[in-house]
Amino acid sequence: AQSVAQPEDQVNVAEGNPLTVKCTYSVSGNPYLFWYVQYPNRGLQFLLKYITGDNLVKGSYGFEAEFNKSQTSFHLKKPSALVSDSALYFCAVRDDRSNDYKLSFGAGTTVTVRA
Amino acid sequence: NAGVTQTPKFQVLKTGQSMTLQCAQDMNHEYMSWYRQDPGMGLRLIHYSVGAGITDQGEVPNGYNVSRSTTEDFPLRLLSAAPSQTSVYFCASSTRGGGLGEQYFGPGTRLTVT
Repeated sequence: AQSVAQPEDQVNVAEGNPLTVKCTYSVSGNPYLFWYVQYPNRGLQFLLKYITGDNLVKGSYGFEAEFNKSQTSFHLKKPSALVSDSALYFCAVRDDRSNDYKLSFGAGTTVTVRA
Repeated sequence: NAGVTQTPKFQVLKTGQSMTLQCAQDMNHEYMSWYRQDPGMGLRLIHYSVGAGITDQGEVPNGYNVSRSTTEDFPLRLLSAAPSQTSVYFCASSTRGGGLGEQYFGPGTRLTVT
């Protein structure tokens, strides 16, 4: 079975400050991990993914995420947040032992960046 | 490329009515899926397909049917609408690639069942 948790419903930061959105996962094998962003009244957009290799993954719009196997986490980070980063962020996971290509999504974290 | 397109954008149904949500992609992706998004619950997988003629159930398949006669199209049918099916529905596609490809999402269909 695979699952993902986003422990914070909301994250509020000031523009220019670091932004972190937390994600933890549970799989029986190795994880394939993804971050998506959803702007109001839009579909989800892919930000970045971890499949294998370097634990630090860089993605779109200046975002990066760090894979930590011992803590089963994949936190999304941005060194300096912008007001335009305000959106709903989803973490997703797939177990590499799964043969059905299903992704499991977290409940989402609403990020608000204040000017 | 238009990417993933969904129609309609909005729909209001009465309990018991049936309808089909349309989804099409022009990226020749093998994998397509339908999700519903409800507040505080993230996205839940309804049905998915790994290629033309092949479909399977996701987490919440009850009350929905799908078919995949072509690579491009993956319609979702509500057989007898219920208020519990009020939600925002997203279609997504990706390259099969061992499931490693990122998913491309359509703009969504906002469905209200009264």
